[in-house]
Amino acid sequence: GAVVSQHPSRVICKSGTSVKIECRSLDFQATTMFWYRQFPKQSLMLMATSNEGSKATYEQGVEKDKFLINHASLTLSTLTVTSAHPEDSSFYICSARDPSVSLYEQYFGPGTRLTVT
Amino acid sequence: DQQVKQNSPSLSVQEGRISILNCDYTNSMFDYFLWYKKYPAEGPTFLISISSIKDKNEDGRFTVFLNKSAKHLSLHIVPSQPGDSAVYFCAATEGGSEKLVFGKGTKLTVNP
Repeated sequence: GAVVSQHPSRVICKSGTSVKIECRSLDFQATTMFWYRQFPKQSLMLMATSNEGSKATYEQGVEKDKFLINHASLTLSTLTVTSAHPEDSSFYICSARDPSVSLYEQYFGPGTRLTVT
Repeated sequence: DQQVKQNSPSLSVQEGRISILNCDYTNSMFDYFLWYKKYPAEGPTFLISISSIKDKNEDGRFTVFLNKSAKHLSLHIVPSQPGDSAVYFCAATEGGSEKLVFGKGTKLTVNP
């Protein structure tokens, strides 16, 4: 089955620094990747949709200058949290769609736990 | 505004019995629904889906029922196994959109 990896799985950083999270599709080409954020006991909230070779589409309320998304290849998308603050501490999870399989099914990475101190 | 609602945060059942997880939605434009299962420290994995043109879809021990008039769907797991213990997320999408809208999840515990 389709595998999506995410790195790092856990990161602790100081307030004001930037953190980069990588999302890779390992055995398929993903023209579209998605970035979600999940707070405890809450649903996965879509932050942005990332298309290879073009600018990401951000959901309402998500600061695009704070959450920089780059989808430089068909197998890699990155999320950079810039000037991180404690309120950015959350679980970030990416997913990718394999268009050869389904329009709707998304394959998720294992997530990244970000803690900003 | 929560468009996909899973009103039961947790559910506990005995091994071998049926598990029924419920999901309600408010957006009548949703036309495709998915269930994902999530273990701790892992990403959600796709379980089963259903199109709005159907009212039932079955895959092994897992069956999803859709009641469009009630805007309600349910996931049945029969028989339940301890390995089914996980958080189950209901998700929906509309009109060919790539975006999925998720519920908050229901934590299922299957006791041996």
